[in-house]
Amino acid sequence: QQQVKQSPQSLIVQKGGISIINCAYENTAFDYFPWYQQFPGKGPALLIAIRPDVSEKKEGRFTISFNKSAKQFSLHIMDSQPGDSATYFCAARGRGSTLGRLYFGRGTQLTVWP
Amino acid sequence: DVKVTQSSRYLVKRTGEKVFLECVQDMDHENMFWYRQDPGLGLRLIYFSYDVKMKEKGDIPEGYSVSREKKERFSLILESASTNQTSMYLCATQGANIQYFGAGTRLSVL
Repeated sequence: QQQVKQSPQSLIVQKGGISIINCAYENTAFDYFPWYQQFPGKGPALLIAIRPDVSEKKEGRFTISFNKSAKQFSLHIMDSQPGDSATYFCAARGRGSTLGRLYFGRGTQLTVWP
Repeated sequence: DVKVTQSSRYLVKRTGEKVFLECVQDMDHENMFWYRQDPGLGLRLIYFSYDVKMKEKGDIPEGYSVSREKKERFSLILESASTNQTSMYLCATQGANIQYFGAGTRLSVL
C-alpha cells in the first residue's frame, strides 16, 4: 500500500511559470515531510523540508504548503527555470522513527521549456 | 562534503548470476538504505541497516539480501539475478533528518 501519493506523474511548464506538485498521506504518525530533487544521472538530493507544526516554508523560489487537516502538502516552484527540470519526490517520515525510514511518493518529472 | 560511493555506475549480468552491489559512505552514519528506482514506481525500499550486522526488510526484499560487516559499507546481493531485477539501484545514508544518495548503479540482467 502506497503511504504517500504524489501527482502529477509529469509536468510541463513554461519558463517563468509556477510549477505545483501535490502529495497526500494517510498516516497521522508522519512528522517530517521532505522533498527531494533528482537530476538525470544523479541520486536524489534534499531540496526542502517541513514539519507539520507550520503551514508553509519558503526557501528562495521553492515553497512547501502544508495542510495538516487535509493530510496534504505541495511544492510550489515560482518563476520556474529550465535548470529546475528534474524529477521531484515528496516523502514522509514516521514520528519517533529513529531509523529515519522515509516513505517516498512515485515522483514527478518536471520539464521547464525555455 | 558528504560522500556516498557506489562501486559501479553500469553493470550487465546474466540470469542466474550472483550479483554484488557495493556502497561506501564516509560520514560515519549508522543508517544505510538500498532502494530500487523504476519509471513510474518511484523509490522503493529494499533493505535498510541501522548498525553493523543489523538489517531490516523494506517493502520489496524478495530476491535480495544485504550485508553490513563494517559501518561504512553496505552491500546488496542478488542471489540469482533475474530479468525483473533490471533496474536502477540507489544507496543512501541517513544523517540527522537527511538522506544522502549515491549516484546509482544501473543494472541490466540479460
